[in-house]
This record gives sequence, C-alpha cells and structure tokens, in this order.
Amino acid sequence: GAVVSQHPSRVICKSGTSVKIECRSLDFQATTMFWYRQFPKQSLMLMATSNEGSKATYEQGVEKDKFLINHASLTLSTLTVTSAHPEDSSFYICSPQVPGEAFFGQGTRLTVV
Amino acid sequence: AQSVTQPDIHITVSEGASLELRCNYSYGATPYLFWYVQSPGQGLQLLLKYFSGDTLVQGIKGFEAEFKRSQSSFNLRKPSVHWSDAAEYFCAVGSYNTDKLIFGTGTRLQVFP
Repeated sequence: GAVVSQHPSRVICKSGTSVKIECRSLDFQATTMFWYRQFPKQSLMLMATSNEGSKATYEQGVEKDKFLINHASLTLSTLTVTSAHPEDSSFYICSPQVPGEAFFGQGTRLTVV
Repeated sequence: AQSVTQPDIHITVSEGASLELRCNYSYGATPYLFWYVQSPGQGLQLLLKYFSGDTLVQGIKGFEAEFKRSQSSFNLRKPSVHWSDAAEYFCAVGSYNTDKLIFGTGTRLQVFP
C-alpha cells in the first residue's frame, strides 16, 4: 500500500505560536490530500481538502485563515495551525486521495499550553 | 444526509468471547466501507474494506465484516477476542472516486481476562 509519512507525531506549543504539520507521500503522487482532526474522545472529522497547485477547500466551521494548507508539490502537503489556542489541541491526520483506497499518515497530536 | 452511526459507544467482553460491533450508514452513492482500529494515542490501522463483490469481507487480525445493503449495515465481527484487541474502532464510509471519508463516532472495546 501507499506510504504516507506525517511529521511531527507529537508537538507541544505555547498559546499564540504556530505549528506546521507535514504530510508526505513517499511512493506515489497525491494530487489531493484530506486533512482530518480528532478532538479527545471524539471521532475524526474532515477539516479540509488540499489540491496541488490550487487553494484548499475547507469544511464548514473550519477557519481557513487559522488552518493554512499548502500543497505545493505532488508529494507534500502541509497544515499550519496559526496562533494556536488550547482549544486547537487535537489529533491531526492526513490522507492522500488514492482511488479505491484510504491511507492515513501516522497523525500528529498537538497540545497547546 | 450522509452519516455513519455506531450505536455502541462502549463494549466490554471477556477474552475469548465473540464480538460484533455495529455500523449503519446513510450514503447517497454506492458506499465504500471501512473499519479502522485506533489504539490509545496512535493512528489508524485499516482492518478491512468493502466496495463490491462478496459481501463477507475478511480482514486482518481475524476480523470480518458483512455488508448488508438492505439494512445499510456493515457490522464487524470476531469469533474470539484477544486482550490486545482492546482499542477504539471506527467505521467509515466514502465513495470510490472521492475517498473523502465520513467516520462514525467510534466504539471503545474493553476486554477482560
């Protein structure tokens, strides 16, 4: 199956700072990347869909100016949480679009203190 | 509306007992169904998936699931549970082309010796 590498796996940051999460597809090219988040003891919810070379699309209720997504190449998509607050503490996980499949990165656990 | 329902939030079974985790879905297109397992603090591991063909699907770790179109269900089963199966289980639905998944709220499985 496709290999997806997501970094960092864990990050603790101070309130007000920004955190960048990288998601790399190692053995294939991903035109589209899905970004999900999972709050503690909740399910995964789609946040946004990034497309290589174009603007990301965000799900309802997700602030696009807070969660900056860049998909500059077919093997790298990044999610930057800007001006992080404690309520942004969550598990963030990426998933490249591969027809007929649903691969996920290892996830990033963000804790904002 | 598209949705996935996992009616059981928490299930407790004894080691060696059989297990069935319920999943019902509502989806406008031909559904592509998945079961994932998530251990505490970890990412998602795919147990099995179904798109077409035999409605009884075999997965990893001795799990299987049966697709029942008439009931809009995709229940996960295991004949004999092991202590290491204790985890959170998520059912998800998507379509073959988009691969954007809708997740259920999860079922937490606890296994007693």
